[in-house]
Amino acid sequence: GDSVTQMEGPVTLSEEAFLTINCTYTATGYPSLFWYVQYPGEGLQLLLKATKADDKGSNKGFEATYRKETTSFHLEKGSVQVSDSAVYFCALSRSGSARQLTFGSGTQLTVLP
Amino acid sequence: NAGVTQTPKFRVLKTGQSMTLLCAQDMNHEYMYWYRQDPGMGLRLIHYSVGEGTTAKGEVPDGYNVSRLKKQNFLLGLESAAPSQTSVYFCASSYSGLNSPLHFGNGTRLTVT
Repeated sequence: GDSVTQMEGPVTLSEEAFLTINCTYTATGYPSLFWYVQYPGEGLQLLLKATKADDKGSNKGFEATYRKETTSFHLEKGSVQVSDSAVYFCALSRSGSARQLTFGSGTQLTVLP
Repeated sequence: NAGVTQTPKFRVLKTGQSMTLLCAQDMNHEYMYWYRQDPGMGLRLIHYSVGEGTTAKGEVPDGYNVSRLKKQNFLLGLESAAPSQTSVYFCASSYSGLNSPLHFGNGTRLTVT
């Protein structure tokens, strides 16, 4: 079946450091890929998405590129801020349908001033 | 703009008790979902609905029932709570089912003793 594997956390960085959170997936066909973010005490919200190979999703300084050849969708940001502290979830949908969303286990990011 | 509102925020139940979690959205979304979030396991879909009067099973439906009598509301019921149902429950909605972002509520933390 479909699966998403994220790098284990927690990840702790200093402000302005470079961030990479690894995400690899297993799925047949060409799934749509997503990054969701969960700030403390809140529900998840969509951060960015990519629906086909080589697409780059971007939002709020975060980027992720859909790499079919390595089945990866790594999240990157060039300079993190304290306000980026949150849990980040990678997810895929084989058909693009939310009914078939498979989430990774989440990566806790803490950014220190 | 309330978005997706879940009630209650916290609840403690004894084994065998019943309860209903309420989810309300004011975005006129057709699709609504109930997830549970457990440590190290990401989010798993319990039940979902593609429109008023419809419901369907997700990945982990056992022990739960749902109803969607009105388009804006999606209820999740536990008829006889078990300790294995201790979790954080999230409701979400989306405009359509295809690559449409999910909008999440802030969650309900349920403990079953």
